[in-house]
Amino acid sequence: QKEVEQNSGPLSVPEGAIASLNCTYSDRVSQSFFWYRQYSGKSPELIMSIYSNGDKEDGRFTAQLNKASQYVSLLIRDSQPSDSATYLCASSNQAGTALIFGKGTTLSVSS
Amino acid sequence: SAVISQKPSRDICQRGTSLTIQCQVDSQVTMMFWYRQQPGQSLTLIATANQGSEATYESGFVIDKFPISRPNLTFSTLTVSNMSPEDSSIYLCSAPFGTSGRVRTYEQYFGPGTRLTVT
Repeated sequence: QKEVEQNSGPLSVPEGAIASLNCTYSDRVSQSFFWYRQYSGKSPELIMSIYSNGDKEDGRFTAQLNKASQYVSLLIRDSQPSDSATYLCASSNQAGTALIFGKGTTLSVSS
Repeated sequence: SAVISQKPSRDICQRGTSLTIQCQVDSQVTMMFWYRQQPGQSLTLIATANQGSEATYESGFVIDKFPISRPNLTFSTLTVSNMSPEDSSIYLCSAPFGTSGRVRTYEQYFGPGTRLTVT
C-alpha cells in the first residue's frame, strides 16, 4: 500500500516565525513531490513541486527532498496569518500520473 | 498554470438520485483525474479519465456507481449514481500540465470542486 504520511497537527507558530511541515512516503519509486495549500472550503492550490534531492526555494517557501530517507519537507519563512491553512503533501511515481495525498497538516499562524 | 472549471459548484440532492459533475480544462490534456474529499479528510483518487478509452478506477470505486465520460481532451464528467448520505463530499477534478525546463515534469492543478450534500 503506497502511503504518504503527515503529522495532522495543528501546528501553531507566531507571525514571523518559520513553520516546518514534514512528510514521509512509502513508495521508493516515487519521483515527484508536491505541496498544496488548502484553505477551508476551497480546492487545493499548488505551492511547490520538487523532483530532485536537495532544496528548492520559491519566495518564502523552501521544499526539501531526501529520497534516501523518503522524506519531504516544506519550510515557510516569515509566516503570516494568511498562511493559516491545511498543507497537503502528495507524491506520484510517474510523470503526469495521479497523486497520492497525505492527510494534511493544519497550520495556524497567530498575529 | 491552467484554468479548470467545474459545474455545479454545489448541490443538495435526495438519496437515490444521481448527479453529473462537469469538468472543463482550458487546454488539451491527456489525462484527467477525479478525486473525492470527504469532510475533514484528505483527497482520495476515484478514477483516471482517459480520452478514447474506459476510465481506470481505484480500489473501492466502481463504474456503476461513478460512471465517467471523457468525450474530448478538454472535458470530462463524473456521475454519482444512486446517491446515499455517505456520498456527501467534495468532488474535485484535476489535470497534469507539463512544465518548461530541461527535464519534462508535470504539475497537477485542481478545479474549484463540487460540494455535494445528500439528504
